Amino acid sequence: GAGVSQSPRYKVAKRGQDVALRCDPISGHVSLFWYQQALGQGPEFLTYFQNEAQLDKSGLPSDRFFAERPEGSVSTLKIQRTQQEDSAVYLCASSWRTSGSMAEQFFGPGTRLTVL
Amino acid sequence: AQKVTQAQTEISVVEKEDVTLDCVYETRDTTYYLFWYKQPPSGELVFLIRRNSFDEQNEISGRYSWNFQKSTSSFNFTITASQVEDSAVYFCALSEARGNYGQNFVFGPGTRLSVLP
Repeated sequence: GAGVSQSPRYKVAKRGQDVALRCDPISGHVSLFWYQQALGQGPEFLTYFQNEAQLDKSGLPSDRFFAERPEGSVSTLKIQRTQQEDSAVYLCASSWRTSGSMAEQFFGPGTRLTVL
Repeated sequence: AQKVTQAQTEISVVEKEDVTLDCVYETRDTTYYLFWYKQPPSGELVFLIRRNSFDEQNEISGRYSWNFQKSTSSFNFTITASQVEDSAVYFCALSEARGNYGQNFVFGPGTRLSVLP
């Protein structure tokens, strides 16, 4: 079966541009997570959805970051007025578990964002 | 606050050697979950194991084994008879149980394992 897919795989943006990163989770998966992974570091949690409800957005670094999952399936992470420090790989993960804390997560390949 | 420490930044071993990856965690919760993930050069993280805080039994899966010790807040991972394809970055992660709300996953910095032929 299909795994988690993310698009685009690579994105180059000029500082100040808005970007939108898409995540297609595994069909039927209830939980969806977004992470930011800087080079050489572990993933850092951004936000968590259970179906269409955003239950935790404590990891979003600023109000320039916004995520949505309007129909409980595909999710979009939007970054407004990108800054150089936003350059990172953005990972999406999904899980069939409804409890986020115990979820074994299936990760997508990530979107590598470079802000010039 | 939660914290995960993986003190070994990089490890190199020769094929067929055993290797242990260390993970030490900090949490104030009594109910929490520990995970190990593998990130091969292709980039996608792969789930390896989940352990809850009430289950201290060690687990073995093929060449992989995990040693969970609450007394030392450690959840170490051993690969027996390592193979070249084990080369990857391995992450230990911790989450605190908050029911259905939030999940506050914290990943360690990772250990890069290189298995040389």
